[in-house]
Amino acid sequence: SQELEQSPQSLIVQEGKNLTINCTSSKTLYGLYWYKQKYGEGLIFLMMLQKGGEEKSHEKITAKLDEKKQQSSLHITASQPSHAGIYLCGADFGGSGTSYGKLTFGQGTILTVHP
Amino acid sequence: SQTIHQWPATLVQPVGSPLSLECTVEGTSNPNLYWYRQAAGRGLQLLFYSVGIGQISSEVPQNLSASRPQDRQFILSSKKLLLSDSGFYLCAWSKGLGGTEAFFGQGTRLTVV
Repeated sequence: SQELEQSPQSLIVQEGKNLTINCTSSKTLYGLYWYKQKYGEGLIFLMMLQKGGEEKSHEKITAKLDEKKQQSSLHITASQPSHAGIYLCGADFGGSGTSYGKLTFGQGTILTVHP
Repeated sequence: SQTIHQWPATLVQPVGSPLSLECTVEGTSNPNLYWYRQAAGRGLQLLFYSVGIGQISSEVPQNLSASRPQDRQFILSSKKLLLSDSGFYLCAWSKGLGGTEAFFGQGTRLTVV
């Protein structure tokens, strides 16, 4: 079974709508990273969360990590076609700070935004 | 600023042929380096990571190998490609023991025919 589960697998929304993507871990996270990927391209770093209850925002994207550090959500407000792509959560399960940055990724969420 | 370069962008190779993908990082020293593979199912799987020159750790058994001949150079190789080696290969770098974000290259689309 996957250590990191993302939901939904795909999402189609109308421009201007809000949406949420979830990432759930079977273990406590040392760090949680959100990335965006355009098809056939590299990953673009969005945000990193490390503390229980932490919340970060960048433009119209907000990411949260729950108090238990096992679940994160990515929320996009007033979506635009430029938000379309694959969103991936990556987990650092290192715990003691010696993971050397190795990440375990979820399967990704394909977001389509219709104008 | 730091940059990461990965090439080639696309590659079509016959089964049984060798492989060499190269990744270089600029603007930083002693980075941690990683090779990931993204198969059709979209998830990324860590293949190798390196914390220093000549130091390679393999995460999954496979037909591939990695080398780090210089501080900021990471190479993914195979002596004989299999059909199952097809996929999207991504190189990445980060700093420190963990707790910092990784930055990715643009990827190489490998098709083994």
